[in-house]
Amino acid sequence: NAGVTQTPKFQVLKTGQSMTLQCAQDMNHNSMYWYRQDPGMGLRLIYYSASEGTTDKGEVPNGYNVSRLNKREFSLRLESAAPSQTSVYFCASSEREQGAGNTIYFGEGSWLTVV
Amino acid sequence: GENVEQHPSTLSVQEGDSAVIKCTYSDSASNYFPWYKQELGKGPQLIIDIRSNVGEKKDQRIAVTLNKTAKHFSLHITETQPEDSAVYFCAASKADSSYKLIFGSGTRLLVRP
Repeated sequence: NAGVTQTPKFQVLKTGQSMTLQCAQDMNHNSMYWYRQDPGMGLRLIYYSASEGTTDKGEVPNGYNVSRLNKREFSLRLESAAPSQTSVYFCASSEREQGAGNTIYFGEGSWLTVV
Repeated sequence: GENVEQHPSTLSVQEGDSAVIKCTYSDSASNYFPWYKQELGKGPQLIIDIRSNVGEKKDQRIAVTLNKTAKHFSLHITETQPEDSAVYFCAASKADSSYKLIFGSGTRLLVRP
């Protein structure tokens, strides 16, 4: 049982390059999320998808786009990477919307460095 | 919007001692408070949660208490073990249309053997 799988685990980008972080879950969850984690700032929600076919902005959406490809997959795209986007990115999923008492399951993280 | 403050940022205890991590929240409408444990190189994992209609919840060596009046909640770990060493995050959310979880900044717990 893989849970939430995200790729790549590590990536170094040059300023201005683009890339897509891939995420897939095998728990048949309806809701999926992308967070970023920065030192001393906890986890901040970038975008989320409450259900297949819908996406919404979180706390820090600027510079990112997302695609809910199907029920299993939710990708995060950086169109023009900036050093401020150096962070650890976590994909997560839950059976229904987060915070409503539903357990959120996280992937193992993607370490992104923008130089 | 909701704001969650977490203290301390680092905590070092001797094996067998207790550890307490405290969080305060700003939105009195918040009603769901989970705690996550993040081990090195891993994603956060839910360890315990509490809803606003409950004052305390226990699960073996961990417990969470909630004071709605003061708008703070705490994680208590008793008889700490080296494997409890990790970063712990609190979070809060309310049952409205957003249901978004707002996380605290994290506490790095070190349990010394």
